[in-house]
Amino acid sequence: NAGVTQTPKFQVLKTGQSMTLQCAQDMNHEYMSWYRQDPGMGLRLIHYSVGAGITDQGEVPNGYNVSRSTTEDFPLRLLSAAPSQTSVYFCASSTLNTEAFFGQGTRLTVV
Amino acid sequence: GQQVMQIPQYQHVQEGEDFTTYCNSSTTLSNIQWYKQRPGGHPVFLIQLVKSGEVKKQKRLTFQFGEAKKNSSLHITATQTTDVGTYFCAGRSSNTGKLIFGQGTTLQVKP
Repeated sequence: NAGVTQTPKFQVLKTGQSMTLQCAQDMNHEYMSWYRQDPGMGLRLIHYSVGAGITDQGEVPNGYNVSRSTTEDFPLRLLSAAPSQTSVYFCASSTLNTEAFFGQGTRLTVV
Repeated sequence: GQQVMQIPQYQHVQEGEDFTTYCNSSTTLSNIQWYKQRPGGHPVFLIQLVKSGEVKKQKRLTFQFGEAKKNSSLHITATQTTDVGTYFCAGRSSNTGKLIFGQGTTLQVKP
């Protein structure tokens, strides 16, 4: 039982490049979400999903896409990276009534 | 949309002093959760409160959920250096299921 697996741990991108952050969970959780963490800003919700085939926007969705084709996977796509997307990204999963389990985080730098 | 506000942003205490962080939501919550994040780590679940007026204790930590289910607090008695980290509250929307985090309170403890 691995919990929430998030890759990569570190990434440097050039402005305009695209990439996908991977997130997988093996706990059969219906709820999955992506957050970004910036100093003094806490954890801000980017996108979330309450089940396979269902996604919705969070607080800061611009510049990010997600899909949820399976219960286990919830990738986050940056289509054209910008320096403002330099941040630490966390994926989390839970049931709809219980605590969230977080991945180890991805430290992304856009230059 | 749903907002969760948390104060203070930072708190420096002498070891042995008490510490409190407060959390307020703009909407009524189905539950409130508290997490701790150590420097360089990911958020780790501490506790969930569900009932109006609920109080729960974990050793030196006391958690309260307000009567209107819109505010909460975490109180640490006699802080220790192991309490260092950032404490987040998170509110679960009963309508959408999404989990919104406060900005967090970073606690520093001087030995």
